[in-house]
This record gives sequence, C-alpha cells and structure tokens, in this order.
Amino acid sequence: DTGVSQDPRHKITKRGQNVTFRCDPISEHNRLYWYRQTLGQGPEFLTYFQNEAQLEKSRLLSDRFSAERPKGSFSTLEIQRTEQGDSAMYLCASSPGTGPYEEQYFGPGTRLTVT
Amino acid sequence: EDQVTQSPEALRLQEGESSSLNCSYTVSGLRGLFWYRQDPGKGPEFLFTLYSAGEEKEKERLKATLTKKESFLHITAPKPEDSATYLCAEKLSGGSYIPTFGRGTSLIVHP
Repeated sequence: DTGVSQDPRHKITKRGQNVTFRCDPISEHNRLYWYRQTLGQGPEFLTYFQNEAQLEKSRLLSDRFSAERPKGSFSTLEIQRTEQGDSAMYLCASSPGTGPYEEQYFGPGTRLTVT
Repeated sequence: EDQVTQSPEALRLQEGESSSLNCSYTVSGLRGLFWYRQDPGKGPEFLFTLYSAGEEKEKERLKATLTKKESFLHITAPKPEDSATYLCAEKLSGGSYIPTFGRGTSLIVHP
C-alpha cells in the first residue's frame, strides 16, 4: 500500500498562469476528495468524486477551478488564471467508498505559491 | 451552519505533562467525529473515529473520547515527537460524505 501521492509537491507560478495538480489515490479507493488549506486553518473542501463522477463541489470552487477523474483512478485539479489568493496547500484524500462515515487518507499536498 | 471549534489554538507542554485538547461539534445529527494529526508541510494523518457518546479509543499515548456535546483528545505523558497540529472533523447525517474540519490545536512538547 503506497498511500496517496500528489505531484508536484511544490509549485511557484506567476499570477495569471494556469497550473495543474495530480493526485493518485490508494488503489481500489472509490472516493477521492480535494481540499485547500491555508496557514492556521483546517482543510476546506473543494470537490469530491465517486469513481469518475464528480458528485459535490464547494461554493469555494470558482469557475477558474476544474477537476477531473477520467477513469476513476487518478485525478487532476486545474486552476486557470491564478490569483495571489490561490496560494495555499492543496490536499487530496481518498477513502474506500464502503460506507458513509469512513475516514479519509490524505496525500502530502501540493504547496502553491502565486507571485 | 456546521461548526467545529477546537481549543486551545496552541498548547505548549513539557515532556511528560499530560493534557487534553477539546473539540466542540454540531450536536444535532452527528454521525462521526474524526481526529487527525498533521505535521508541518504534510497532509493530515488519520487517528480515530468516534460515533456515539461514551465511546473511547486509544492509540499509544493518545485517547479520544466523545460526550454529547464535545470530544477530547487526551495526551498522556507526551513526548517531543507528539508535537503536531491535531485536527478534529465532524460528519453529519444527510447525503454528503464531506466532513467539516476545525482549525486545529497546535501542540508543542518541549524536552
């Protein structure tokens, strides 16, 4: 069991550029979640997939954000026209999908800095 | 609106000095209360899930308890390696599988 992996671990970009992050969940986990975390705050939910279907999106997820999970395995999160306020840690988590109240397993995160 | 409140925001302990962290949750409709540990620059690591008042779970020096309105994470004889941010999260009844996280308690244990 290799755990949840995320790539890249760090990304520095200039305002207005597009960035894409990748998440590989634990194999056989059906549910995949994206969160954003800023300093001193807990993780804030962005979006959630059950297999390849995107089932929930937070109102935090503006039109500049898009996420995919094309084959129900890895997922990508794209931010278009980045703004300085997008600077944060982007966390991916997965869970087995066997029950409604199961724990989530988090990846190491991608630290985004927008200059 | 769902709200999870953790206290204190920060806690400094001497090695061996036991203490407790508090998590107040939305009482109505709680279906799961989760504790996670987060080290600086890393993702949260799952510790415990509690489902009903009176439930307790232990792992090494940590014990999580749940009452009808709050949860405690008790740390017995902490060591410097227990230094981390401890997050709690609630999952309420309803269709969403998404937990709501608190802001965490930053724990530093001095040798």
